[in-house]
Amino acid sequence: DVKVTQSSRYLVKRTGEKVFLECVQDMDHENMFWYRQDPGLGLRLIYFSYDVKMKEKGDIPEGYSVSREKKERFSLILESASTNQTSMYLCASSFGGAVGNYGYTFGSGTRLTVV
Amino acid sequence: DQQVKQNSPSLSVQEGRISILNCDYTNSMFDYFLWYKKYPAEGPTFLISISSIKDKNEDGRFTVFLNKSAKHLSLHIVPSQPGDSAVYFCAASATSGSRLTFGEGTQLTVNP
Repeated sequence: DVKVTQSSRYLVKRTGEKVFLECVQDMDHENMFWYRQDPGLGLRLIYFSYDVKMKEKGDIPEGYSVSREKKERFSLILESASTNQTSMYLCASSFGGAVGNYGYTFGSGTRLTVV
Repeated sequence: DQQVKQNSPSLSVQEGRISILNCDYTNSMFDYFLWYKKYPAEGPTFLISISSIKDKNEDGRFTVFLNKSAKHLSLHIVPSQPGDSAVYFCAASATSGSRLTFGEGTQLTVNP
């Protein structure tokens, strides 16, 4: 069964901490994405990557960075966590090229609370 | 600039009845449309899709309708079941694009 695995289901961090969210996929997908889900705002794209060491800003990149050193792994980094980054974070992956009818495969999400 | 909009945050229906979830888009370049379903504390899962060359796609209890002139699509679930209670996201992409743009989501509650 193909999978996108996010390392933590729930995290609680303090304001100002550096936070790492890890995502691993086993489908040999070229594309990987980080979204956050907030009530009333839907899924908003933070960063995405088309290839190893490649990254592109999404719609809300401020306060975040990413790393993709290996094809199967895409990490989201909160440089200095703030309370407004409390959210559900979702990682997704897809084959290269146009997403078309195939869409993404999502991980189960990480619920991050910053206190 | 919200290019994909789901104007109803919530919908409540009785078991066995039809659920209709709506989605509007503004970007004329979009030509693939997908619906995802999300349960609490889980990631979204793909439900059904449609390309712009069609106006209807059916998969079991789920049917998606596309009205290109109105830039509107809808998801019909019939008959609705309590297990369908979830948040439904509409998403769109352009042929040349590899990213999906999502709507805000609609919380569907199916009452027994």
